Amino acid sequence: AQRVTQPEKLLSVFKGAPVELKCNYSYSGSPELFWYVQYSRQRLQLLLRHISRESIKGFTADLNKGETSFHLKKPFAQEEDSAMYYCALRRETSGSRLTFGEGTQLTVNP
Amino acid sequence: EAEVAQSPRYKITEKSQAVAFWCDPISGHATLYWYRQILGQGPELLVQFQDESVVDDSQLPKDRFSAERLKGVDSTLKIQPAELGDSAMYLCASSIQENTEAFFGQGTRLTVV
Repeated sequence: AQRVTQPEKLLSVFKGAPVELKCNYSYSGSPELFWYVQYSRQRLQLLLRHISRESIKGFTADLNKGETSFHLKKPFAQEEDSAMYYCALRRETSGSRLTFGEGTQLTVNP
Repeated sequence: EAEVAQSPRYKITEKSQAVAFWCDPISGHATLYWYRQILGQGPELLVQFQDESVVDDSQLPKDRFSAERLKGVDSTLKIQPAELGDSAMYLCASSIQENTEAFFGQGTRLTVV
């Protein structure tokens, strides 16, 4: 079965510092990978998906099939980036089912 | 802006009682999902509907959980009887079709005492 691992439950950085939220997955096929974000008192929302290969709010993520990773990166963190971030995987044969990691709480300090 | 609506926002129920949650997806969205999120964990899919049909309920504890989407629009998730371990956030999401972006509701926070 597929699995998504986010090794850091908590991550704290200072404003302006680079940030990297780690995501590793286990799945032998060709998955689709996503990052979801939940800001305080807001609903869960899609941040980016690997197939779009775009930068959203300054965040990028590259799928590394060799290392089975999909780390989320931003060169200069902002206070408004503080939120809960979830990495998620969808198998190519599973319809719409998303498998989520346990999440990383990012805090950007002033 | 269209949003997925869920009610109630919070529910406290006693063990062995029945509880129900309601979800109204974004208009025109054919696919509807119910996820359960236990504190400290990521969401886990319970059931997925395509219009009024269940397409994935492999993770739904069918001895006590049931879900329906009778007219292919809004949906109800029921637990009977509730157990202490059911305490969690129940999230509803919808998407235009399968494999398109899913939009989530605010969730229903269930506490079983």
